[in-house]
Amino acid sequence: NAGVTQTPKFRILKIGQSMTLQCTQDMNHNYMYWYRQDPGMGLKLIYYSVGAGITDKGEVPNGYNVSRSTTEDFPLRLELAAPSQTSVYFCASSFRGWNTEAFFGQGTRLTVV
Amino acid sequence: GQSLEQPSEVTAVEGAIVQINCTYQTSGFYGLSWYQQHDGGAPTFLSYNALDGLEETGRFSSFLSRSDSYGYLLLQELQMKDSASYFCAVNRDDKIIFGKGTRLHILP
Repeated sequence: NAGVTQTPKFRILKIGQSMTLQCTQDMNHNYMYWYRQDPGMGLKLIYYSVGAGITDKGEVPNGYNVSRSTTEDFPLRLELAAPSQTSVYFCASSFRGWNTEAFFGQGTRLTVV
Repeated sequence: GQSLEQPSEVTAVEGAIVQINCTYQTSGFYGLSWYQQHDGGAPTFLSYNALDGLEETGRFSSFLSRSDSYGYLLLQELQMKDSASYFCAVNRDDKIIFGKGTRLHILP
């Protein structure tokens, strides 16, 4: 059972480039989340989804986009990378948004230069 | 808005007991969760309090008081492997919102 899988693990982008961070889960969870974590800081919610076809903004959505075409996949798109987007990105999923634990992927360490 | 406050760092001795507090300014949330994160790793779930009171899971316990807008994580019989960051989080409106985390240092 793979759980939540994120790719890539590491990436260096130049300013203005675009990329998609991939996230897939095999637990048939309805809820999925994208967080970013800056060094020594907590997790900030970027976007979340309560099911296929439904997405909503979190605390820090600017500069990002998401889609949820299937239950399993929840990719995060950066259109015009900026140095402020240098961070570690975590994808997570849960069976419900409330009263259950969230399972996290291993993270993507992104550097924008 | 929603905000959760935790101490940034706590230091304790191996074998001792430590309490990590979390105060929050939000309402209408379903419950308070705790997660552990080792350096370079991903957060992992520790416990969840839906109701006021104490939840115990092995060496870890978590407490919630909605009337006081307060919760804590209690770690007993501390081991060196417990050195990590600990985050409280609220489950509200289909979202999970995290505090900034408490870095736990354990001295031998």
